[in-house]
Amino acid sequence: NAGVMQNPRHLVRRRGQEARLRCSPMKGHSHVYWYRQLPEEGLKFMVYLQKENIIDESGMPKERFSAEFPKEGPSILRIQQVVRGDSAAYFCASSPLQHEQYFGPGTRLTVT
Amino acid sequence: KQEVTQIPAALSVPEGENLVLNCSFTDSAIYNLQWFRQDPGKGLTSLLLIQSSQREQTSGRLNASLDKSSGRSTLYIAASQPGDSATYLCAVMSSGGSNYKLTFGKGTLLTVNP
Repeated sequence: NAGVMQNPRHLVRRRGQEARLRCSPMKGHSHVYWYRQLPEEGLKFMVYLQKENIIDESGMPKERFSAEFPKEGPSILRIQQVVRGDSAAYFCASSPLQHEQYFGPGTRLTVT
Repeated sequence: KQEVTQIPAALSVPEGENLVLNCSFTDSAIYNLQWFRQDPGKGLTSLLLIQSSQREQTSGRLNASLDKSSGRSTLYIAASQPGDSATYLCAVMSSGGSNYKLTFGKGTLLTVNP
């Protein structure tokens, strides 16, 4: 059973471009969570999704950020018009039920 | 609002030493507590998960304890090895309506010197 997969592992974008980060949960997991790790900071919760539903997006910036988890395919975290402050590691986790989360390797976004 | 603090921020020890990493949290209404390992530029590897009803968990040379009432957890590493060098993260899942959201500490950077 493959673990949580994230791609790309590294992403470089210029200011103003869009970044799309993908997360494929473990087989049989219908709950997906996104966390962000800024330099010198701990991981912070961003959003929790189940298939086709956003359950809690309280940790996500109100503008430029969006997330989805469609019926088919991976979960997508989308950042529009990226700025330097968006540079961070973005981690996805999945779980079969709510409680034990399994983390992916992360996507490291660099905004130049 | 749950806050998680890890002490020390960094620790350097010689190989073979036993060591303790500390984690404290402000709200004792937790569902579980988890210790992770993070290697530079890599993802998170779950080491131990302690449910709120448990006092400790063990895996190999690792032992994690939980004192929910005082808001503390410790990770004990026996006979440390250079391969244990990594950042160790403590994360708490609060109970109640948001019992899916992990709150992380900033981690302890451990260096084990050969």
